[in-house]
Order: sequence, then structure tokens, then C-alpha cells
Amino acid sequence: KNQVEQSPQSLIILEGKNCTLQCNYTVSPFSNLRWYKQDTGRGPVSLTIMTFSENTKSNGRYTATLDADTKQSSLHITASQLSDSASYICVVSSNTDKLIFGTGTRLQVFP
Amino acid sequence: DAEITQSPRHKITETGRQVTLACHQTWNHNNMFWYRQDLGHGLRLIHYSYGVHDTNKGEVSDGYSVSRSNTEDLPLTLESAASSQTSVYFCASSEGPGTVTYEQYFGPGTRLTVT
Repeated sequence: KNQVEQSPQSLIILEGKNCTLQCNYTVSPFSNLRWYKQDTGRGPVSLTIMTFSENTKSNGRYTATLDADTKQSSLHITASQLSDSASYICVVSSNTDKLIFGTGTRLQVFP
Repeated sequence: DAEITQSPRHKITETGRQVTLACHQTWNHNNMFWYRQDLGHGLRLIHYSYGVHDTNKGEVSDGYSVSRSNTEDLPLTLESAASSQTSVYFCASSEGPGTVTYEQYFGPGTRLTVT
């Protein structure tokens, strides 16, 4: 069964600290992997999209990595800010053209 | 700027009523999607459309319908609302298929409560 699992479910960090969110998937065949940021009460917004051949991709203070062999991805947030408080959703696309969503990691950044 | 909007943002309805949620995009995208988001679940696909007059069922389509009469709009109808349909609904659009790295843009969501 195609699944996307994220860990941790929730995370609390202090402003200025770094953190890493994890994503494991069993989707096959794999097409691409996306990370979205969802603020409370808003729709998801894309951070990165990576294909099979890409190991890492950055978007400002957000850096995503992909290991297609182990079917794992991570999202690293550098020098966190209060505005980083949100849910981060890992999404995998298979060649059936459907996006399979993880349940997200809820990140809270405190001053 | 191009955008995708949803209305209403909040809706309370009674069991058995027909409800229609609106989605409008100005990206001129052919592909449009409806998802629901519930605690403990990732976003789940309800219906999708690849162009005018094209509609397809997603993984949780029972009790829902859509129609696509133009490029900009994909309304979602709950034929007879049930309490199990209490959820947050998101509309999305993209230029191309998810198998390629096309961005999928999401609306702000509609919170629906069925009492």
C-alpha cells in the first residue's frame, strides 16, 4: 500500500535553533517528492519539489534531502523564526498522477 | 496576480441538506482538484478534473459530485450532507500532471460542519 509517514508528529523548538523533519514513504513507482508548509487556517504552500535524480534542494532557510534508495526524505530548517510555526507536509507522487499526502509534522517555534 | 479562491470559508449545515462549495482559479489551469483534510489523515482526494467537461473520482468520492463547465471553476456538491462529511475542504489547481514537477496551488479552504 502506498503510504507516506512523517516524524515527529509535533515538535517544539526555540527561535534561532535548527530542526529536521523526517519523511519515509513506500510509494512505488516513485515520480517526485514535495514538501509543503501549511499555516493554521490556510492552504498548503509548496516549499520544494524533488525528482528521483535530485538529492537536495533548498528554498531559503529550508533544505530538503532525498534518498530514493532508502525511500527517505528530510526537511531541515535553519535558524528558525516564529513564522516557521506551521504544519509541514511531505507529499509523494507516483506515476499514477496522484499525490499521496503524509499527515504532517506540527512545528511550534517559541521566542 | 493569479489566485485560487474558495467560498464560503465557513459553512454550517444540517444533515440531509445539499451543499455546494465553490472554487475559482485565475491561473487558467486545466487541472483542478478537491481534497478533504481530517485530523489523523493526510489530505485525501475527492474528485479531480483535467479540463472542461472532464471529471474523475478520487479515493473518497462517495456522497460528492463535481461539474466543470469552464476552466476557472470546479464546484463541489454534497448531495445529502452527512456528519461524516464534517471536514476542511481544499481546492487546488495545477498546470499539468502530478507525475511531472508542476506546482499544485491550494485555496484557503472551507470549513464545513454538518450538524
